[in-house]
Amino acid sequence: DSGVTQTPKHLITATGQRVTLRCSPRSGDLSVYWYQQSLDQGLQFLIQYYNGEERAKGNILERFSAQQFPDLHSELNLSSLELGDSALYFCASSAEGDFYNEQFFGPGTRLTVL
Amino acid sequence: KNEVEQSPQNLTAQEGEFITINCSYSVGISALHWLQQHPGGGIVSLFMLSSGKKKHGRLIATINIQEKHSSLHITASHPRDSAVYICADQFYFGTGTSLTVIP
Repeated sequence: DSGVTQTPKHLITATGQRVTLRCSPRSGDLSVYWYQQSLDQGLQFLIQYYNGEERAKGNILERFSAQQFPDLHSELNLSSLELGDSALYFCASSAEGDFYNEQFFGPGTRLTVL
Repeated sequence: KNEVEQSPQNLTAQEGEFITINCSYSVGISALHWLQQHPGGGIVSLFMLSSGKKKHGRLIATINIQEKHSSLHITASHPRDSAVYICADQFYFGTGTSLTVIP
């Protein structure tokens, strides 16, 4: 158990809908990362937050947004969902904001868009 | 964009064999992560390397920043090592090496 929790574990929804994925980092970790893993594109970095502020941005679509709250949990919002958004979404946390820190991964949320 | 390439893509080994997985990247980086993804999907960070070599149990990781190359070695492989191994810089991931260790 990494100490990182993600909810829900599974989510099935329809095209055009909006969903919110939630991540609680390990106790004391200030940084949260979001990743997408799909069959055709592999793992992709989406976005990183550090202590409430956006720190780095990757291949995150404009239909997706994220935020980190004062209690350090983070939410990833996916809107106008398309079939191609079906994927595993992982969050990870680390103690600090730079890439030199070990990341601890949550169990992932499996999103299926029908 | 950093092209992160891994080889081999698939690897089958007998229990006890020494295993090497290679990772090369096109753009200079300051650090590299090695990750392990189990068949159930969970991801574990194995190493973060910025130079030289690190060892954890039967796993050894090395990196040569100048040559843009890193290797992950597994000594005395065991069936429980069966997983996908992924190298990554800050933003880009390799496609992974699927390892199967046969008893």
